[in-house]
Amino acid sequence: KNQVEQSPQSLIILEGKNCTLQCNYTVSPFSNLRWYKQDTGRGPVSLTIMTFSENTKSNGRYTATLDADTKQSSLHITASQLSDSASYICVVTLAYGYNKLIFGAGTRLAVHP
Amino acid sequence: ETGVTQTPRHLVMGMTNKKSLKCEQHLGHNAMYWYKQSAKKPLELMFVYNFKEQTENNSVPSRFSPECPNSSHLFLHLHTLQPEDSALYLCASSQELGERNEQFFGPGTRLTVL
Repeated sequence: KNQVEQSPQSLIILEGKNCTLQCNYTVSPFSNLRWYKQDTGRGPVSLTIMTFSENTKSNGRYTATLDADTKQSSLHITASQLSDSASYICVVTLAYGYNKLIFGAGTRLAVHP
Repeated sequence: ETGVTQTPRHLVMGMTNKKSLKCEQHLGHNAMYWYKQSAKKPLELMFVYNFKEQTENNSVPSRFSPECPNSSHLFLHLHTLQPEDSALYLCASSQELGERNEQFFGPGTRLTVL
């Protein structure tokens, strides 16, 4: 069964600290993996996308990694800001030639001053 | 903003009501999607439209009825809903179907069924 599991379910950190969110997937055939940020009451917005051959991708203070052998990905946030408080969703796209996305349940991050 | 708008942003309805959700995309995309997001659960794909034609119905109950009059607009007609249908309903669009096409999401409609 195609699944995406994320951990932790929720996380609280202090402003300025770093954190790492985890994503494990059992999706086949694999096309790409995205990390989305979803602010409360808003739709998800794509942060990074990685294909099978890419190990890391950065977007400002966000750095995503992908290990296609172990089917694991992580999202590292550096020097967190209050505006980073949101849900972060790991999404894997199936390679069916069709836009079929498998979503994780997300990690809810709260950054406190 | 992502270029995808949804109205209304919040909706409260009784189980006997009929209401509609509207989605509009200003990106020139050809594919549009409806998703349901329940608390602490992954997004669930409901319907997919490509060039106004429905290409997927993910076993959605008939009390949800989609309509796509053109590639820029997507509606979700609701009737005789159940309390468990309360959720955030998200619309998305992409240039085309295909795994390399990023989906852009609207802000969602928060639906509460009493």
